[in-house]
Amino acid sequence: DIQMTQSPSTLSASVGDRVTITCRASQTISSWLAWYQHKPGKAPKLLIYKASTLESGVPSRFSGSGSGTQFTLTISGLQPDDFATYYCQQYESYFHSFGQGTKLEI
Amino acid sequence: QVQLVESGGGVVQPGGSLRLSCAASGFIFSVFGMHWVRQCPAKGLEWVAFIRYDGTNKYYADSVQGRFIISRDNTRNTLYLQLNNLRLDDTAVYYCAKEGPASVRATQDWGQGTLVTVSS
Repeated sequence: DIQMTQSPSTLSASVGDRVTITCRASQTISSWLAWYQHKPGKAPKLLIYKASTLESGVPSRFSGSGSGTQFTLTISGLQPDDFATYYCQQYESYFHSFGQGTKLEI
Repeated sequence: QVQLVESGGGVVQPGGSLRLSCAASGFIFSVFGMHWVRQCPAKGLEWVAFIRYDGTNKYYADSVQGRFIISRDNTRNTLYLQLNNLRLDDTAVYYCAKEGPASVRATQDWGQGTLVTVSS
C-alpha cells in the first residue's frame, strides 16, 4: 500500500501569510494527488487534483505542485475562511490513502 | 447538482452490525465509482472502500478487510456499506464520496456524513 506522509501536522499563521504544506508518497504516484480542505461538521472539499489543477470555484490563492513522490500545497494571502485542516490523498491506486492532515491555525 | 445523503448511522455494541446507505442524485450514478471514507474522533480522514461504477470490483482498507462490505444498487441510485463485527475503533463519521470524471479522477463530491458509535 502507498503511505502518504504530510507535514507539518499543525501550522500557525496569520491572515495575509503565505503557507506551504508538504506531502510525500512512499512510492511514485506520478501526479495522481489531490488536496482537500476539511472543516468540522462539514464535508471535505476538493481543492486541487492531478497535483496542480485547481478545482472549479476554488480561489486562485491555492496552488499545488510536485510529481513523483514530493508534493506541496501553497496558500498565498491567507483569508479567515482558510483556517481548516488540509489533507493530501493519492489516487494512483484504488486504495486512495490520505496523509495525516495539517491543521492550519490562526 | 450532485447530492449524496448518508443514513443508517447509530449506536451499536462491539461485535454488532450496521448498514449504511448513501442516496445519490444530480448525476448518472451508474457511471461513477464510489467511495466510503471515515473520520474517527480527533483523527484524520481514512479511506475505507471503493466500488467501481458497475460493482464488478471492490477494494478495502486493511483495517476493514473481511468485516465491511461495499455494494451498490444502480437501479436505486444507492451506495451501501455493511459494517460487521464492529470494534470500538470503528467509531467515526462515515462519508460517501463520488469519484470525478476521467479528466479529474480524484474524489470530487462528498456527503455530509453519518455517525457510527461503537460502544458497550
